[in-house]
Amino acid sequence: EADIYQTPRYLVIGTGKKITLECSQTMGHDKMYWYQQDPGMELHLIHYSYGVNSTEKGDLSSESTVSRIRTEHFPLTLESARPSHTSQYLCASSVRETQYFGPGTRLLVL
Amino acid sequence: KNQVEQSPQSLIILEGKNCTLQCNYTVSPFSNLRWYKQDTGRGPVSLTIMTFSENTKSNGRYTATLDADTKQSSLHITASQLSDSASYICVVSDRGSTLGRLYFGRGTQLTVWP
Repeated sequence: EADIYQTPRYLVIGTGKKITLECSQTMGHDKMYWYQQDPGMELHLIHYSYGVNSTEKGDLSSESTVSRIRTEHFPLTLESARPSHTSQYLCASSVRETQYFGPGTRLLVL
Repeated sequence: KNQVEQSPQSLIILEGKNCTLQCNYTVSPFSNLRWYKQDTGRGPVSLTIMTFSENTKSNGRYTATLDADTKQSSLHITASQLSDSASYICVVSDRGSTLGRLYFGRGTQLTVWP
């Protein structure tokens, strides 16, 4: 079981609200990732980081932003949530070829 | 276009039976292929990872095979258990960037009935 945590696990929020999804790992991994996954669909990379002060956009266009001030922490922020942001968000970290995923945050925007 | 296709989309088997899940990919260049298990409401967990030179790899009752020539992989589950009910995701990594970009399949949803 990987030591990577995500909070909250579930979030229901109104349109226009600002939200931050938290992701923390205690394994000291430099590389971290955020994926978006809709039911029955593949994971889409939305952000990644090589290490502290490094952030890059992924394949899927996203209105979210990320920061990497500390190795263990990689939060994702939505400045103004919309119903189209409803999805599952998975955080991961990696060492060599293996990725370790968090339990995910299920977001519902009303 | 780099793609990963999995079949079947869903599968129902009885407890104790064996099953095989398929993965075809068009990713090039190729670095490695991974199989993940994702329980409902959880993040994926790695089962196996195979490089170009590996034909088979086992992890308990899970055995993955890779044919890099035909760009096909399979995941065989032996003596299925109720806890095997999950989505099984095939992921292929290329060598095109330092990140080793990952291409995800949509998964096969396996349900094991008692």
